[in-house]
Amino acid sequence: DAKTTQPPSMDCAEGRAANLPCNHSTISGNEYVYWFRQIHSQGPQYIIHGLKNNETNEMASLIITEDRKSSTLILPHATLRDTAVYYCIVRPSNDYKLSFGAGTTVTVRA
Amino acid sequence: NAGVTQTPKFQVLKTGQSMTLQCAQDMNHNSMYWYRQDPGMGLRLIYYSASEGTTDKGEVPNGYNVSRLNKREFSLRLESAAPSQTSVYFCASGGQWPTFGSGTRLTVV
Repeated sequence: DAKTTQPPSMDCAEGRAANLPCNHSTISGNEYVYWFRQIHSQGPQYIIHGLKNNETNEMASLIITEDRKSSTLILPHATLRDTAVYYCIVRPSNDYKLSFGAGTTVTVRA
Repeated sequence: NAGVTQTPKFQVLKTGQSMTLQCAQDMNHNSMYWYRQDPGMGLRLIYYSASEGTTDKGEVPNGYNVSRLNKREFSLRLESAAPSQTSVYFCASGGQWPTFGSGTRLTVV
């Protein structure tokens, strides 16, 4: 299985964009990049996923590099409620299991 | 529309006791999962069910059993609880857009 590498923590100013990096240099052609977040010991919340193209929804944007070896999750206008642990996960298209790492603890400061 | 419902939310067990954690989803999903999360760590997959009538082991299945009762319900059973099973247990359902429950906080003393 492909693994991901994320920084352990990052700070962000309220109202600014938060850019969360993720490296997945061994990703295979049929593996999607998924992002989840977990707010203060609640259940993880699905944010977004993509294969090759950039994706956007009401929560965030996902930018995947052309070689697919890394990606960035963008929270366009971070709020205090976005403080959470963010998980980047790669997942094969034919396997719905998720393998969580330690994630990035994002703290949004006023 | 409740999504994924887990019961109970909190439980304290004595070593050696047994209990069943319940999970139900109302989204007509085929896939369901049980994860555990120890303090300061990411989630680890215990068991999963790709469809009604099938179950498979995940990363940390020892000490647990599961039952996919029907399409809606997926239960996790601890036959003889141990302190090492103190954790937060999350149930999830869904394939492309997984939805998680709010968790069961279990303490084994």
